[in-house]
This record gives sequence, structure tokens and C-alpha cells, in this order.
Amino acid sequence: EAGVVQSPRYKIIEKKQPVAFWCNPISGHNTLYWYLQNLGQGPELLIRYENEEAVDDSQLPKDRFSAERLKGVDSTLKIQPAELGDSAVYLCASSLRQGSADTQYFGPGTRLTVL
Amino acid sequence: AQSVTQPDIHITVSEGASLELRCNYSYGATPYLFWYVQSPGQGLQLLLKYFSGDTLVQGIKGFEAEFKRSQSSFNLRKPSVHWSDAAEYFCAVGDDKIIFGKGTRLHILP
Repeated sequence: EAGVVQSPRYKIIEKKQPVAFWCNPISGHNTLYWYLQNLGQGPELLIRYENEEAVDDSQLPKDRFSAERLKGVDSTLKIQPAELGDSAVYLCASSLRQGSADTQYFGPGTRLTVL
Repeated sequence: AQSVTQPDIHITVSEGASLELRCNYSYGATPYLFWYVQSPGQGLQLLLKYFSGDTLVQGIKGFEAEFKRSQSSFNLRKPSVHWSDAAEYFCAVGDDKIIFGKGTRLHILP
């Protein structure tokens, strides 16, 4: 069974440029998560989807970040414009159902560097 | 407020030695508790989780953890570490939303 797929693995951009990350969850997983992981920190939830509905986006900086999960399968996270402080690893995870009872499976992440 | 504390940023042990990684949490009720491992360039992998029942939880790769309600702790243990165990370990707590600690980086001496 294929795991969570993320692309690109690495991205280097200049500040004020836009950037997008893509995630394909494990087949059949209804819940999808985007996390931000700063250097030396644990992951922090940005947004959680249940199928195509964003059920928790309270930690998503909506002035510059946006996300979508069309058709309830793969998802895209966008930053526009990027700032220096956005340099981090962006992790995608998926689970069969919502709630901590279900194991979250993580992708390898996208490492973003903003110059 | 919910929080997770991993007091050790780095731990170094010799290969074959025992290991204990500490985790303390603050939560309003009995939470779900997790330990994840992250190898360089890899995503997080679940080692084990506790929901209820037996307070000693067995996980993958020979790891176990013990939930101690009186100490608000969920320490991770392994009787004999292997060089391949070198990684970053995250304790996490939550129910509907998971909160991660800052992680403990494990170094293994040959």
C-alpha cells in the first residue's frame, strides 16, 4: 500500500513569491491534515479536512495561506506571498476517520526555504 | 491549557544500552497519548499509542511506554537500543486534535 505522497520534497523561493505544496493521502483515508514543523519543534496543525470539508482551520494564517481538497482526495496548500518566517517543513498526514483514535500516517514533508 | 513537555532535547546512549525518554503532559481529562519517531528526511511514524486499559503499552521496534496518571507522564522505554534507533522522538497528546512536544533527539554511540 502506498503511503502519503507529497511533492515537491524541497522548494527554494524568494520572499514575496507564491508557493504550493501537494499531498496525496493514503487511498480511502477520509481525513487529511496539514502540519507545519519549524526547526527543533514538533508539528503544529494548520488545517484538517474531513473529506472535502475543512473542519478545523483555526491555526491557518488566512491572510497568506490557503488550502483546498477538491473531490475529497488530494490536497494543495498555498502560500502567497511567502515570508522569510515561512521557512519550515510542511507535513501532510491522513487517517481513515477523524479523531485521535485513528492513526495518522505522515508523508515525508516538503522543506521550504524562503530567501 | 493542553501541553506536552519533553524535558530532554538531546539524549546519547551507547548501542545495546537501555533507553528512557521522558514525556509529561497537561490535559483536562485522560488523554490519548502517542509516541512518534522521525528519521532524517522522513515523515513521522507512530510507535505506540495509549487510549485506556493497561497502562503499559507495547509498540513497534521493541518500544514500550508506561502511562502514569499520578505523574502525568508517558515515558518511552527500550531495553536495548540499536544504531538504527537514532532519530527524533515526539510525544503527543490529544483527543480531537493532537499536540506534539518539541521532540528529543536520540544519538547512539557505537
